[in-house]
Amino acid sequence: SQQGEEDPQALSIQEGENATMNCSYKTSINNLQWYRQNSGRGLVHLILIRSNEREKHSGRLRVTLDTSKKSSSLLITASRAADTASYFCATDGAGGSYIPTFGRGTSLIVHP
Amino acid sequence: GAGVSQTPSNKVTEKGKYVELRCDPISGHTALYWYRQSLGQGPEFLIYFQGTGAADDSGLPNDRFFAVRPEGSVSTLKIQRTERGDSAVYLCASSLYRTGQNEQFFGPGTRLTVL
Repeated sequence: SQQGEEDPQALSIQEGENATMNCSYKTSINNLQWYRQNSGRGLVHLILIRSNEREKHSGRLRVTLDTSKKSSSLLITASRAADTASYFCATDGAGGSYIPTFGRGTSLIVHP
Repeated sequence: GAGVSQTPSNKVTEKGKYVELRCDPISGHTALYWYRQSLGQGPEFLIYFQGTGAADDSGLPNDRFFAVRPEGSVSTLKIQRTERGDSAVYLCASSLYRTGQNEQFFGPGTRLTVL
């Protein structure tokens, strides 16, 4: 079963707009990570946020974590066509496990 | 340095055949993970190695699937008597260590097609 679930499943925006994706999970976590995947092959790690952190930034990326709501969001500011990809959240720590569990992902399309 | 590599990049086989998929992790990474990804889905965990031993194989779907990592580096995922439902992209990832800082580095995957 998949612990994290991303929302929306698909997102289509124009270049320059911001893109926000959400991730909800069910059980307690150690940390939450966001990954990007292009063309269905290989995932690229974007950012890791620990359970005791509330917000992290990396370039145009901003991730928030609300453990009380068991949710996280990924914001991509000033999007570019090259940001077109699928984005996945992965959680670990459920039940003491260190196995990252992935959601189904959000498919982002950025139109030039 | 080199990233995670996987071979072959594509594998087409017939139902009932045996296949081996290889993963070369980043040098020095002690943790190695195998995932399977179907179209439109996220990666599904199969097995996790810490060093040479399988620390968690709870994701293997049945006994047709087996993986080894004899020297703690290269790993091979073996699938016996392949079925059409085994068709998917098989992803390998490695990480420095199984810690709270569990960033994984993924390979490009092997696309397995069972006819």
